[in-house]
This record gives sequence, structure tokens and C-alpha cells, in this order.
Amino acid sequence: NAGVTQTPKFQVLKTGQSMTLQCAQDMNHNSMYWYRQDPGMGLRLIYYSASEGTTDKGEVPNGYNVSRLNKREFSLRLESAAPSQTSVYFCASSEPDGYDGYTFGSGTRLTVV
Amino acid sequence: GNSVTQMEGPVTLSEEAFLTINCTYTATGYPSLFWYVQYPGEGLQLLLKATKADDKGSNKGFEATYRKETTSFHLEKGSVQVSDSAVYFCALSDLNYGGSQGNLIFGKGTKLSVKP
Repeated sequence: NAGVTQTPKFQVLKTGQSMTLQCAQDMNHNSMYWYRQDPGMGLRLIYYSASEGTTDKGEVPNGYNVSRLNKREFSLRLESAAPSQTSVYFCASSEPDGYDGYTFGSGTRLTVV
Repeated sequence: GNSVTQMEGPVTLSEEAFLTINCTYTATGYPSLFWYVQYPGEGLQLLLKATKADDKGSNKGFEATYRKETTSFHLEKGSVQVSDSAVYFCALSDLNYGGSQGNLIFGKGTKLSVKP
């Protein structure tokens, strides 16, 4: 089925470790996004990529880096994980006009101990 | 700046009850409005949308009308089912303002529990 695929689904890291969250979409969307979801905070935008080759900071970019590898793939990297980055991470994609809304992946639940 | 405010939950209803989840927004320009639903352990799914004033979005028995005069987009369903138990998010995308991307702004979500 067409959609947005995220890996891994679950991950436990120790403080200071690094990891990359992977996201791929097969909907031929130009725009892709990374959000984090925390209790009582809703969804907050970390980074986005309006089109292949471009990335921009969102609301909460500190401690993260992204790479738009090609039109399909948009990865999120934590260089030195901190307990404050314990969260559920969602990747999404859309057309630039967002007319049909965003399509979300099923999420990565990350725990930093 | 743009923002979305939705009623805090949790909301607990009996099966077949009427549901309203309030959502109001602040935005420059002419936003599109969305309701997303998140079932336990899953990502967000688009439930319905409206792109201009007085539009009514509908899907799976849920409805919401874009009210520009009251800057509201309340979600309603006439008869809820246990399977509607989920978290519901109101969101706006003000694509006509500055043309910038990454500007889908979410409310904090309302958890709905429906009891048999």
C-alpha cells in the first residue's frame, strides 16, 4: 500500500548515543516533515523539506539534523541523544500546497535512558 | 502567529451519544482546516478537511463546517461507536500566507473514549 514508512518502530538509546530515524514515502510527494509528539504538547515540527535538496528548521530543531537523501527519503539524526528527546517521532509527506493534507507514518517510539 | 485551540479532554461518551469537539483558530490569510484522528499505537490519519469558508468536510459520519465569522471548525458526529475511541487533532495550514511550507499547525489533541 502507498504511504509513509518509518523505521525503526521502537528504539532505546543511552544518553550520548547517536541514531538515525529513517523515513520513505512512495506517494511522489515533494514535501516531507518530521514531528515529535509528547503528552500534552500535541505535535511539534522539528524539520521539514519543501522539496528535494532543501531543508528548513521547524519549531524545535535543537539536537537534531536531517537529510533529504532523494525525493523519497528524509532521515532524522540525533547526534548525542538526551533524555529530553524521549518521544514519539512521526514523519509525514505532502504536496507543497498541502491541499489533501499530510500523510503520516506510523511513528518511532524512542526512549533515551 | 497562527494557532489552533481545541477543547481539552478526555471526553467520555456512551455509545450512540452525540459528539462535539470544539476547535477555534487564529490565522492570517485564508487557511485550510483539517481534522486528524490517531488510533492507539498508530500515526495520524486525515479524517476530513475544508479549504474555504462555509465548506463542510465529512467522512465516516463525522462532519465539520468552516466558519470564518467565528474562526471555528468544530467536529461533530451524531452517534458515536466504541470504534471511534481515539485522539482527534484539529489543524490548520495557512498556505496562502508567505507560501512557506511546514506550516501545518496542530491543536494539542482531544482524547475520546466511547463506552459500550
